[in-house]
Amino acid sequence: DAKTTQPTSMDCAEGRAANLPCNHSTISGNEYVYWYRQIHSQGPQYIIHGLKNNETNEMASLIITEDRKSSTLILPHATLRDTAVYYCIGLFSGTYKYIFGTGTRLKVLA
Amino acid sequence: NAGVTQTPKFQVLKTGQSMTLQCAQDMNHEYMSWYRQDPGMGLRLIHYSVGAGITDQGEVPNGYNVSRSTTEDFPLRLLSAAPSQTSVYFCASSYKGTPNSPLHFGNGTRLTVT
Repeated sequence: DAKTTQPTSMDCAEGRAANLPCNHSTISGNEYVYWYRQIHSQGPQYIIHGLKNNETNEMASLIITEDRKSSTLILPHATLRDTAVYYCIGLFSGTYKYIFGTGTRLKVLA
Repeated sequence: NAGVTQTPKFQVLKTGQSMTLQCAQDMNHEYMSWYRQDPGMGLRLIHYSVGAGITDQGEVPNGYNVSRSTTEDFPLRLLSAAPSQTSVYFCASSYKGTPNSPLHFGNGTRLTVT
């Protein structure tokens, strides 16, 4: 499984785009990149995932570099409710060991 | 459709006591897993199951037992609780067989061992 590394914390102004980086330099060709977030002490919430191509949904966009060694989660217009811990994880297709790291604590400032 | 349901929400145990944390899902998910989260830390995988009758160890399995007799339920047993097991426990499930099925988490069980 790919080991992912993320910055410990980030701040973002409300209404601005929040760009959260993730390094997964050991990722293999069949390994998906997933993003989750955890607000307060609730269970983590799925945001988005991708394999090679950039992805977008109603919550966020995921940009994966061509060499797949890193990715960026983009929250286009951050709100105070986006304050949370964001986790980037890798998952081999066909395996089920979702390993979470310590994540990035994003604080959206008014 | 309740999703993933964990019981109890809170529990206090004394060292050496045993208990079972319950997890049930009504989404017909074949994959289920247990995580623990210590204060200020990320989630660590304890055990997981890819279907009824099949379980496997995660990152931190010691001190915990699991079984999977039905698709819906995946209980986590602490045979002899220790203070080091004080944590928040999360159960998660997803549909097996496709990476395009994200994990669904329960709301957690907050366990304190004194």
